[in-house]
Amino acid sequence: SQKIEQNSEALNIQEGKTATLTCNYTNYSPAYLQWYRQDPGRGPVFLLLIRENEKEKRKERLKVTFDTTLKQSLFHITASQPADSATYLCALLAAGNTPLVFGKGTRLSVIA
Amino acid sequence: DVKVTQSSRYLVKRTGEKVFLECVQDMDHENMFWYRQDPGLGLRLIYFSYDVKMKEKGDIPEGYSVSREKKERFSLILESASTNQTSMYLCASSSGLGGLFTEAFFGQGTRLTVV
Repeated sequence: SQKIEQNSEALNIQEGKTATLTCNYTNYSPAYLQWYRQDPGRGPVFLLLIRENEKEKRKERLKVTFDTTLKQSLFHITASQPADSATYLCALLAAGNTPLVFGKGTRLSVIA
Repeated sequence: DVKVTQSSRYLVKRTGEKVFLECVQDMDHENMFWYRQDPGLGLRLIYFSYDVKMKEKGDIPEGYSVSREKKERFSLILESASTNQTSMYLCASSSGLGGLFTEAFFGQGTRLTVV
């Protein structure tokens, strides 16, 4: 069956460290993968998109990698801050005419 | 900035009531979606639409219907609300013709409680 999994439900890290979140998928061949941030009681907000032919994408302190062989995306936040504390969701486009499929999210807590 | 607006932040309804959740987007997006989000279950797709008057079932359409009479508005209808429909409901929109969905823009969510 098709699955998209974010390995950790919750992740705690110290301020200033790099947070690394993992998204694995099975039985999909996604055209691209996206990452969203969600704060409590709010809707998700788009952060980054990476296409299947891209290995890495950066935006300020954020970096996303996409390994179609491993069927995995890694999401990094460098020099993390308490304001980065939120739930991060990965989402993939499974095929040309289907909506995004979301993982369940990882709740990141950055401790000062 | 894209804006997706849901009509209510919080809603309390009684079992058996017909409930309407409204969503409006102001960026002329072709595609609109309704998700529900529950702890431990993540975002689950209820219905989506990639054109006016068109609708497609998502993963959990039972007990729901939708209406898209205008491009900017996508309504979710709970025909007869039940307690297991207590949830956070999220509307989203995206551009992309022919069903090619790009990044999604979400509304602020409606926390619905059915008592």
